[in-house]
Amino acid sequence: AQKVTQAQTEISVVEKEDVTLDCVYETRDTTYYLFWYKQPPSGELVFLIRRNSFDEQNEISGRYSWNFQKSTSSFNFTITASQVVDSAVYFCALSDLARGSTLGRLYFGRGTQLTVWP
Amino acid sequence: ETGVTQTPRHLVMGMTNKKSLKCEQHLGHNAMYWYKQSAKKPLELMFVYSLEERVENNSVPSRFSPECPNSSHLFLHLHTLQPEDSALYLCASSQEQLAGNTIYFGEGSWLTVV
Repeated sequence: AQKVTQAQTEISVVEKEDVTLDCVYETRDTTYYLFWYKQPPSGELVFLIRRNSFDEQNEISGRYSWNFQKSTSSFNFTITASQVVDSAVYFCALSDLARGSTLGRLYFGRGTQLTVWP
Repeated sequence: ETGVTQTPRHLVMGMTNKKSLKCEQHLGHNAMYWYKQSAKKPLELMFVYSLEERVENNSVPSRFSPECPNSSHLFLHLHTLQPEDSALYLCASSQEQLAGNTIYFGEGSWLTVV
């Protein structure tokens, strides 16, 4: 069964610190996709990144970077030089291909509340 | 401006009321979703529509009734809800035909049942 675990419920850092949000997943599928979403207080889930299971290359986008390691089933997210605007709940999610359909389903972790203090 | 818009953003209703949540997507997608996010549970998938046909209903109580009149609009009709139904209801859309499709969410409708 598919499962996403975000063990860190809450993290607090001071501005300019680096912070890593952990994500561990379980799946029996060989083809799957991993996502990170950001949810600010307004409620909208903002898409950050998608990574497929065949691409283990790490990715950097500005202050954001992602470390995908199939050997440990992890897809961790690092924010460098954090800012107050980074304060939000961050969700990791796994998408499989439902049997008989191309329609993917998202399995979400419980989220990590990140608070960045000025 | 978000590609998925939801109205109303906030709704307070009594247990005997009938109300509806509306969602519209401007992304040209052909699959739409309703998710429920409550304080004590992870995000829960409620309904999935693909090409205006319901393809998944995750054992949601009948007091929630979805409607998808076309690929751009999705409604969630609410009737005789319970206080435990108070939650953030998120609408989302995706392009079905793409494997590993990215699902884009709206800002959500905050529902309080009194």
